[in-house]
Amino acid sequence: AQTVTQSQPEMSVQEAETVTLSCTYDTSESDYYLFWYKQPPSRQMILVIRQEAYKQQNATENRFSVNFQKAAKSFSLKISDSQLGDAAMYFCAYNGGATNKLIFGTGTLLAVQP
Amino acid sequence: DTAVSQTPKYLVTQMGNDKSIKCEQNLGHDTMYWYKQDSKKFLKIMFSYNNKELIINETVPNRFSPKSPDKAHLNLHINSLELGDSAVYFCASSQAAGNTEAFFGQGTRLTVV
Repeated sequence: AQTVTQSQPEMSVQEAETVTLSCTYDTSESDYYLFWYKQPPSRQMILVIRQEAYKQQNATENRFSVNFQKAAKSFSLKISDSQLGDAAMYFCAYNGGATNKLIFGTGTLLAVQP
Repeated sequence: DTAVSQTPKYLVTQMGNDKSIKCEQNLGHDTMYWYKQDSKKFLKIMFSYNNKELIINETVPNRFSPKSPDKAHLNLHINSLELGDSAVYFCASSQAAGNTEAFFGQGTRLTVV
């Protein structure tokens, strides 16, 4: 069964600094997608970034980028120039193979210090 | 123009009651889902529908019954509510089954007292 692990329950970063959130996953599939979702206090689940496993190039979205290491089954999120609005719970998620569902990690609560 | 909207946002009810949560998406997606987020923020899928057909039922008690009248709507009915049902319930949709991102509604916080 596929699993997603986020080993950092909480992280903190200074405004304008860079932070990296870790995620590892386990799967026997070769074709899958990985995602990072952000959940601010408003509760809304917001897609931050997605990565197709068949693409070697790491996905980037403005200040957000990933380090996708397929062999190591690692998918970390880097947030550059952190802003106060980045404070939220961040979830790593996997969708792949015959499944039709997102499998989530346990989340990392990110605090941004002014 | 909310893409995935669910109502109500908050629901407080007594044990034993029956309640429904409604969800609608205007994205033209074929697949809709219900996820449950527990008090520790853990998110887990409950149901998935593709073109009104149930394709995932993740060992959810049969007190929970999803209904999809058309592919734009997926409602969740809960019978005989229990204290342990208190959680945030998210509706979501995706363009196709598998390997695509899901777009989430704003969640319904259900509190059973």
